[in-house]
Amino acid sequence: AQSVAQPEDQVKVAEGNPLTVKCTYSVSGNPYLFWYVQYPNRGLQFLLKYITGDNLVKGSYGFEAEFNKSQTSFHLKKPSALVSDSALYFCAVRGGTNQAGTALIFGKGTTLSVSS
Amino acid sequence: EAGVAQSPRYKIIEKRQSVAFWCNPISGHATLYWYQQILGQGPKLLIQFQNNGVVDDSQLPKDRFSAERLKGVDSTLKIQPAKLEDSAVYLCASSLVVGADTQYFGPGTRLTVL
Repeated sequence: AQSVAQPEDQVKVAEGNPLTVKCTYSVSGNPYLFWYVQYPNRGLQFLLKYITGDNLVKGSYGFEAEFNKSQTSFHLKKPSALVSDSALYFCAVRGGTNQAGTALIFGKGTTLSVSS
Repeated sequence: EAGVAQSPRYKIIEKRQSVAFWCNPISGHATLYWYQQILGQGPKLLIQFQNNGVVDDSQLPKDRFSAERLKGVDSTLKIQPAKLEDSAVYLCASSLVVGADTQYFGPGTRLTVL
């Protein structure tokens, strides 16, 4: 069965420091991996995705993620955190079968708090 | 480009009442999804449409939940009768095609069942 794990409920960093939000996954076949961000009372906003190709994926607002097949991980990173990055972050995966009906499976989310 | 529209944004009902949510996807997006997000959890798929056909409704509680997308554009999700455990945010998302394509989410409808 497909699954996503976000091992940290909360990540705290100081503004200007690098941040990492961890994600590991389990899926049969090649994974399609996504990161979304959710601000209070808002829907999910797409940040980036990995489908194939370069293991380092760059996305919106300076975020990037590194796909590591051997460790089945897709950690979200940013070199220098901003206070405005404080939000709830979700990792999601879908199986790479490209079949209709293959839903996104989400992790439980990680709250990022950036202090000034 | 307009995003995914949802209404209402908030709804409070008594248990055993019925409620309906509306979603209008991004123009041209063939695939539409309804997700349920319970507080403290990630979204969980309820139903997926491809145009006006159901692709996946395996996690939809069909005894009380129903959804339709009659003309292949906007969609309605209904709960009848509602239970306390249905309190959640209901998110609608759309994508251009099925597969690796990115899903874009609406702002959600926050349902409180008393």
